[in-house]
Amino acid sequence: GQQLNQSPQSMFIQEGEDVSMNCTSSSIFNTWLWYKQDPGEGPVLLIALYKAGELTSNGRLTAQFGITRKDSFLNISASIPSDVGIYFCAGHDSNYQLIWGAGTKLIIKP
Amino acid sequence: GAVVSQHPSRVICKSGTSVKIECRSLDFQATTMFWYRQFPKQSLMLMATSNEGSKATYEQGVEKDKFLINHASLTLSTLTVTSAHPEDSSFYICSAGRDRGYNSPLHFGNGTRLTVT
Repeated sequence: GQQLNQSPQSMFIQEGEDVSMNCTSSSIFNTWLWYKQDPGEGPVLLIALYKAGELTSNGRLTAQFGITRKDSFLNISASIPSDVGIYFCAGHDSNYQLIWGAGTKLIIKP
Repeated sequence: GAVVSQHPSRVICKSGTSVKIECRSLDFQATTMFWYRQFPKQSLMLMATSNEGSKATYEQGVEKDKFLINHASLTLSTLTVTSAHPEDSSFYICSAGRDRGYNSPLHFGNGTRLTVT
């Protein structure tokens, strides 16, 4: 099925560094959602975006709904060990179908 | 916040048996729940949309007779994997939103790891 282009696929960073990941689509999306999934568990919603240009923060996390409505990014500032996991973007396309990115695996070197 | 509970978290069954997985919305009513399957190191794959009081809507390629979905109440949906085979071994996750509309983000259960021997 359709999938969003999420990058990078994986990241190896030092503790304390900032992290940035993004998702793009070829068509307009109505919502953008960012989830984090820990091993063996279900995804947990981090941030939900509903309007083009919207910039929303959740603690050290910041996400934006791109002005073109075809992209979104998620930033994590000052990463800590518990930030490790897989981050998924998702969004509702023009048919209100929820489409998923392939995930970004975050690995933090102590 | 919204909480979705999924049970069991792990199940091992023999080939040919059936397994039922429950998904409950604990603090809200969910007219729609979703069932996903996730293979290792891959994203979630939508299997079906469970509608309270009506038949589930299955995605292309998903066998409705094999993956039986029942959404008998506004807080409970069940997925039954019938006559399970080793290839059905996977991580199954349910989700639900407070409202039917897309402005209600989905909250996920913790998943069920199914192993068919």
